[in-house]
Amino acid sequence: EPEVTQTPSHQVTQMGQEVILRCVPISNHLYFYWYRQILGQKVEFLVSFYNNEISEKSEIFDDQFSVERPDGSNFTLKIRSTKLEDSAMYFCASNWGQDSADTQYFGPGTRLTVL
Amino acid sequence: AQSVAQPEDQVNVAEGNPLTVKCTYSVSGNPYLFWYVQYPNRGLQFLLKYITGDNLVKGSYGFEAEFNKSQTSFHLKKPSALVSDSALYFCAVRDISGGYQKVTFGIGTKLQVIP
Repeated sequence: EPEVTQTPSHQVTQMGQEVILRCVPISNHLYFYWYRQILGQKVEFLVSFYNNEISEKSEIFDDQFSVERPDGSNFTLKIRSTKLEDSAMYFCASNWGQDSADTQYFGPGTRLTVL
Repeated sequence: AQSVAQPEDQVNVAEGNPLTVKCTYSVSGNPYLFWYVQYPNRGLQFLLKYITGDNLVKGSYGFEAEFNKSQTSFHLKKPSALVSDSALYFCAVRDISGGYQKVTFGIGTKLQVIP
């Protein structure tokens, strides 16, 4: 069964450093997402991406964040200058179409630790 | 705005007994409702969803959920719990009227099945 994959599984970085989290969505999917889960809290929406542009973003997704689909398979989340409060589990998700009934399928997550 | 409430932080149930994990939602229009499960150190796995039609939805691993529009609830149920069902369960909603793709999650309920 096709699945969303993410690398790395765990990233440790120093405050102020740039990080790039990588995702490979399910191959025929067209809509891509990033969510995050701070330890002990709920999963929060960050951004959705379709047709090479951001379609929706939350207030969390400020100028420090950016997303890119650099090629036909990868979808990346970049944090330019990490802060301590960026420490969280970051989940990538994808679904096929615009129908809101479409199920979003999630990857296993990348645990980001900012020191 | 769309939101989800999961009133119980933790649910304990004996193996073999029926289980219920509660969820209520709030949307401005009609909802699409989802349940996801998260096992330790794993990503979010899709269990089931309600789109339209029959209020009782059947999903993976013997789980089902009942949509109740008047009570704005979507409780997750299973007739006979297994120890392997122990995990974190997230209810989620998507408002179909706003044209938004993002899914809003509840805070999660930890299910502990006692042997």
